Amino acid sequence: EAQVTQNPRYLITVTGKKLTVTCSQNMNHEYMSWYRQDPGLGLRQIYYSMNVEVTDKGDVPEGYKVSRKEKRNFPLILESPSPNQTSLYFCASSLGEVLDTQYFGPGTRLTVL
Amino acid sequence: KQEVTQIPAALSVPEGENLVLNCSFTDSAIYNLQWFRQDPGKGLTSLLLIQSSQREQTSGRLNASLDKSSGRSTLYIAASQPGDSATYLCAAVMNRDDKIIFGKGTRLHILP
Repeated sequence: EAQVTQNPRYLITVTGKKLTVTCSQNMNHEYMSWYRQDPGLGLRQIYYSMNVEVTDKGDVPEGYKVSRKEKRNFPLILESPSPNQTSLYFCASSLGEVLDTQYFGPGTRLTVL
Repeated sequence: KQEVTQIPAALSVPEGENLVLNCSFTDSAIYNLQWFRQDPGKGLTSLLLIQSSQREQTSGRLNASLDKSSGRSTLYIAASQPGDSATYLCAAVMNRDDKIIFGKGTRLHILP
């Protein structure tokens, strides 16, 4: 089944404790992206990647890192999480460039205490 | 800076009615526009993608239109059903860069 998977789905952590949220797609998509969704602010793009070893900042990249060492995986790294990073995070991928239909993962609900 | 606006934020209509959801954008130089559906606590599901060269796209009871000159897109839902209840978001991809800008969504409730 074609899908985008994220792990973990739920995470509660404390300020400053490094964490990684994994994202994997099995559709051989080139484009992958991370978003956060907050009440009243909607979906905002954090980082995106056009292909392996190519990443770019979205609208809200501060406090986040990403890597794209292989096509299928695009982990989101929070080196020193803070409470304002409490949010619902989505990973997405699309076949070619961003121009194509995007497929979203199920989301990761992160709480930073 | 591109802004994508969806009005109203919430909408309730009786089952069976046809309805239109609106999406407006401030910069007409978009490359494409995509409509998504999001169920509570779930990820987004793509409904329709309209390229800038297109005027509309159809899928079943859904029809999306794009008018770049007026900065508007609409999502038409025919013969609404309770299962259509969800939040609908539109997102614009810009020519100038590869960023995607989302609207905040319209929360739709179909009354049985």
